[in-house]
Amino acid sequence: QKEVEQNSGPLSVPEGAIASLNCTYSDRVSQSFFWYRQYSGKSPELIMSIYSNGDKEDGRFTAQLNKASQYVSLLIRDSQPSDSATYLCAVPITGNQFYFGTGTSLTVIP
Amino acid sequence: NAGVMQNPRHLVRRRGQEARLRCSPMKGHSHVYWYRQLPEEGLKFMVYLQKENIIDESGMPKERFSAEFPKEGPSILRIQQVVRGDSAAYFCASSPRGQGANQPQHFGDGTRLSIL
Repeated sequence: QKEVEQNSGPLSVPEGAIASLNCTYSDRVSQSFFWYRQYSGKSPELIMSIYSNGDKEDGRFTAQLNKASQYVSLLIRDSQPSDSATYLCAVPITGNQFYFGTGTSLTVIP
Repeated sequence: NAGVMQNPRHLVRRRGQEARLRCSPMKGHSHVYWYRQLPEEGLKFMVYLQKENIIDESGMPKERFSAEFPKEGPSILRIQQVVRGDSAAYFCASSPRGQGANQPQHFGDGTRLSIL
C-alpha cells in the first residue's frame, strides 16, 4: 500500500456542480493533512490544511477528515472552469517526509 | 517578492555535465525541502535541510546528487554527471518550522531540467 493514495481521475464535473476528491493514507499517527492545487506546468499551491476530525470550510472549499478511516477529502462547491487542475493530497508520515499522492486531475466543463 | 524563489526556471544540460539548482526560502522560513516531479507523476521527496544541516536525505539517489543549505545564501541541489533520466521538474518548498510542527510547505515555481 502506498503511503498516500488518490484516484488519479480524470474527474469531470459540469460548471456549478460539486467536485469531490478523495485521499487515503497509511499512517495512523499522522496529525496534519494538506490539499494542494497544481495547474499544468506550475508549482503546487496550498489551498487547505486540516488537523482535526470533521469538516473545515474555506470559501467554496471544504476539507473533511476521518482519522479512524484514514481518509481525507476535498469538496469544491460551485465548481468553476478555473478550478480545473490537479489536486494533490499531502500527509507528513515519517516525521520529516511529506508524502504526496499522485494527484487527481479535475476538469470543470463550462 | 516574499515567496520561495528558485532559479533558474529552466536549465538545459548535456549528458555528463553538472546541474546546480538554487532555492531561497520564504522570509522567516528556515526549513527547506526538495522534491522531484516527473511528467504525469506525483511529487517525490528528496531531501530536507535546515541551515548548515541535512536533516533527512532518505529520498536522494545515492550517487551524483547532493544538497546543501549554507549559513549564508540559498540552498543548492547539485546533480553531477547528469543523465537523461534526470530530466524533471525540481521543486523547493519551505516552512517556518520543521515537519514535527505539522507546518504546511510553500513551494517555489520550480526548475525544469532538461538533459540533451
